[in-house]
Amino acid sequence: AQSVTQLGSHVSVSEGALVLLRCNYSSSVPPYLFWYVQYPNQGLQLLLKYTSAATLVKGINGFEAEFKKSETSFHLTKPSAHMSDAAEYFCAVSDHWTGTASKLTFGTGTRLQVTL
Amino acid sequence: EAGVTQFPSHSVIEKGQTVTLRCDPISGHDNLYWYRRVMGKEIKFLLHFVKESKQDESGMPNNRFLAERTGGTYSTLKVQPAELEDSGVYFCASSQDRTQGSSYEQYFGPGTRLTVT
Repeated sequence: AQSVTQLGSHVSVSEGALVLLRCNYSSSVPPYLFWYVQYPNQGLQLLLKYTSAATLVKGINGFEAEFKKSETSFHLTKPSAHMSDAAEYFCAVSDHWTGTASKLTFGTGTRLQVTL
Repeated sequence: EAGVTQFPSHSVIEKGQTVTLRCDPISGHDNLYWYRRVMGKEIKFLLHFVKESKQDESGMPNNRFLAERTGGTYSTLKVQPAELEDSGVYFCASSQDRTQGSSYEQYFGPGTRLTVT
């Protein structure tokens, strides 16, 4: 069974500061990993994805994540936070080993607050 | 290209009543998923359709939940009778088939917020 752990349900950073949202996964097969963002009153939007190509993945809005197999981690970072980054962020893992599409297993989410 | 749409956006019903949620996936997407987020908890998988067939319904909580995808287009999720613990946000997502060269990215709808009182 797969699982995702997101450390910190709430993270607060100052505008311009580094954003680091942590995600660790557990999977018995090579995983596909995703970060989604949910802005207030909106649906989930894909930020970036790891699908067994480059381990450093760049996404939208300046976010990136690095897949570290030895640490079973996929932490999300952004060098400089902007007020518009305030949202809830979800890490998710998917099992595509069978070659077919399959469900996502989500972490509990991290709400990012950006202060002036 | 239109995204995934869900109807209604909000629904408030009393315990024991029936509610039907609808999801329209992105046109041409064979895979359709239902997820649910109960307040304060993680987003949990409910079931997965490939075209009109149920590929995986391991996440359906009990037989009060019935999902259909007639003709492989839109899907409905019916809750009958609703219980208090069914309250939450129900998300629908869709993705392309592997033969279409996708990496299985799932596109999510805005969700339906269900409140059972």
